[in-house]
Amino acid sequence: GDSVTQMEGPVTLSEEAFLTINCTYTATGYPSLFWYVQYPGEGLQLLLKATKADDKGSNKGFEATYRKETTSFHLEKGSVQVSDSAVYFCALTAGGTSYGKLTFGQGTILTVHP
Amino acid sequence: KAGVTQTPRYLIKTRGQQVTLSCSPISGHRSVSWYQQTPGQGLQFLFEYFSETQRNKGNFPGRFSGRQFSNSRSEMNVSTLELGDSALYLCASSPDSGRTNNEQFFGPGTRLTVL
Repeated sequence: GDSVTQMEGPVTLSEEAFLTINCTYTATGYPSLFWYVQYPGEGLQLLLKATKADDKGSNKGFEATYRKETTSFHLEKGSVQVSDSAVYFCALTAGGTSYGKLTFGQGTILTVHP
Repeated sequence: KAGVTQTPRYLIKTRGQQVTLSCSPISGHRSVSWYQQTPGQGLQFLFEYFSETQRNKGNFPGRFSGRQFSNSRSEMNVSTLELGDSALYLCASSPDSGRTNNEQFFGPGTRLTVL
């Protein structure tokens, strides 16, 4: 079945450091890929998405490129801020009859220190 | 536009009881999905409803059920609660133009504690 694997966390960085969170996936067909972020006590917010190979999703300084050849969708940010501290989830939705189903990775806790 | 709302936000029940959680999607959204979030299992898909019909279901026992009303509001029910049902239950809505790659918008969740 479909699956998403994220890098082990937690990740601790200093402010203005470069961030990479690795994400690889297994899916049949041509999935759409997403990064969601969850702040403490809140639901999930969509950070960015890509719906086909070589698409680059970007938002709030975060970027991720859909790499079909390596089945990856790594999240990057050039300079993190304390306010970026949260849990980040990579997810996919497959085609066909996979209505309304997001398959999530296990999440990566990011802590940014001043 | 108002976001996805879920009620109640917090709930405490005892084993063997049943519980009903409610979700109001964003206005105009017709697809509602439910997820269970636990520290051990992460985020797992429960089911999805569209136009009052369940179109997709995850791998959960029959104690977990749901429904959707004509105004797209949705409820999920858990009967005979077990300790392992303690979790954050998240609802998400989507406009669903027929494509499966639509973005989902999440509510704040209902925190269920089973004692």
